[in-house]
Amino acid sequence: GENVEQHPSTLSVQEGDSAVIKCTYSDSASNYFPWYKQELGKRPQLIIDIRSNVGEKKDQRIAVTLNKTAKHFSLHITETQPEDSAVYFCAAIRGGADGLTFGKGTHLIIQP
Amino acid sequence: NAGVTQTPKFRILKIGQSMTLQCAQDMNHNYMYWYRQDPGMGLKLIYYSVGAGITDKGEVPNGYNVSRSTTEDFPLRLELAAPSQTSVYFCASRGGGLTISYNEQFFGPGTRLTVL
Repeated sequence: GENVEQHPSTLSVQEGDSAVIKCTYSDSASNYFPWYKQELGKRPQLIIDIRSNVGEKKDQRIAVTLNKTAKHFSLHITETQPEDSAVYFCAAIRGGADGLTFGKGTHLIIQP
Repeated sequence: NAGVTQTPKFRILKIGQSMTLQCAQDMNHNYMYWYRQDPGMGLKLIYYSVGAGITDKGEVPNGYNVSRSTTEDFPLRLELAAPSQTSVYFCASRGGGLTISYNEQFFGPGTRLTVL
């Protein structure tokens, strides 16, 4: 089955700086890669996603890049703000009815 | 739309007890999923369903059962609760057809279960 590795497990950045979280996946058949933000005690919320036929996608301060050859994808957050503090999860899905395979998460801490 | 709803929000069980976690969605989604999230970890797929009457195992199905009698409801059953089942359980649903895997999965608020 699919395996998703996520790094780092904890990331501390100064407010206003950029943050980058990286994930790798094992199954070359995976074709959809969402990123979720989860605040303490809350449900995961989709923040951005990318399909396998796209190399990069941007939404305001958030961007995701995908390298299919290397089987890795990354989340980039620019101009970080205190409200960006949360746990971020990457995920991958092969298609069909399959559920998502999640990474273990990155705890992003924004230092004032 | 209420989206995906789950009950109860919290529950404490004794070892060996049984319970059903309820999940419902009002978006007419065919696909529904159950995940568990252990502390400090990502979510893991327990079971999923592609429509009423059709269910299949995910990565961690042992100790659980599901049923899907209607499009709206997808309950998860724990028959003999064990401490290893202490976790937060999330139900999710998505629309789209079989070939469209990239439709967003919408998550419910979760059920926090403790087995003592």
